[in-house]
Amino acid sequence: AQSVTQPDIHITVSEGASLELRCNYSYGATPYLFWYVQSPGQGLQLLLKYFSGDTLVQGIKGFEAEFKRSQSSFNLRKPSVHWSDAAEYFCAVGAPQGGSEKLVFGKGTKLTVNP
Amino acid sequence: DAGITQSPRYKITETGRQVTLMCHQTWSHSYMFWYRQDLGHGLRLIYYSAAADITDKGEVPDGYVVSRSKTENFPLTLESATRSQTSVYFCASRAPLQGGPGYTFGSGTRLTVV
Repeated sequence: AQSVTQPDIHITVSEGASLELRCNYSYGATPYLFWYVQSPGQGLQLLLKYFSGDTLVQGIKGFEAEFKRSQSSFNLRKPSVHWSDAAEYFCAVGAPQGGSEKLVFGKGTKLTVNP
Repeated sequence: DAGITQSPRYKITETGRQVTLMCHQTWSHSYMFWYRQDLGHGLRLIYYSAAADITDKGEVPDGYVVSRSKTENFPLTLESATRSQTSVYFCASRAPLQGGPGYTFGSGTRLTVV
């Protein structure tokens, strides 16, 4: 069964600073990987996803993530954070077709952006 | 409009009452899911369904019942609500992964059990 670890519960950065949110997964093969963002009181919005191919994935709002098989990681990055990026971020892993089809989430990282 | 809709958006119920949360999707996706979101736990899978009349337990199924008589609907029932079931509930459906969003989530139902 797949699992996801987001080591950082809460991260604070200054506006304009770079950001990296960590995500480690456990799965026997190459999984499907996702990053979602959730603003307070809102639902989940997909930032980006990785299925196969190029390990550097571009998403919406200037985010990118890199799949590193050797480290079982899928870290989310943004070169310059905006105040509107303050939210909670969830990494999720899904099994490719023929697997369980379930999407398993990490516990989330809350991002605070200081002016 | 096409999409996945949850109802109600907010619900307050009393301990011991039965309550049903509704989820409806317009795409005819095969897979549907129910998650609950709690502080410090992220989203945890309650139940999921691979097709009409096929359901399976997730990580935290106790106290919940699901049914799926039609592909587009996946209601979640709390048979006898408890305070520990106070949570935000999200329904999701699974779209074709390649070239698509993968999993699409509803806006959520905030349930308070008093």
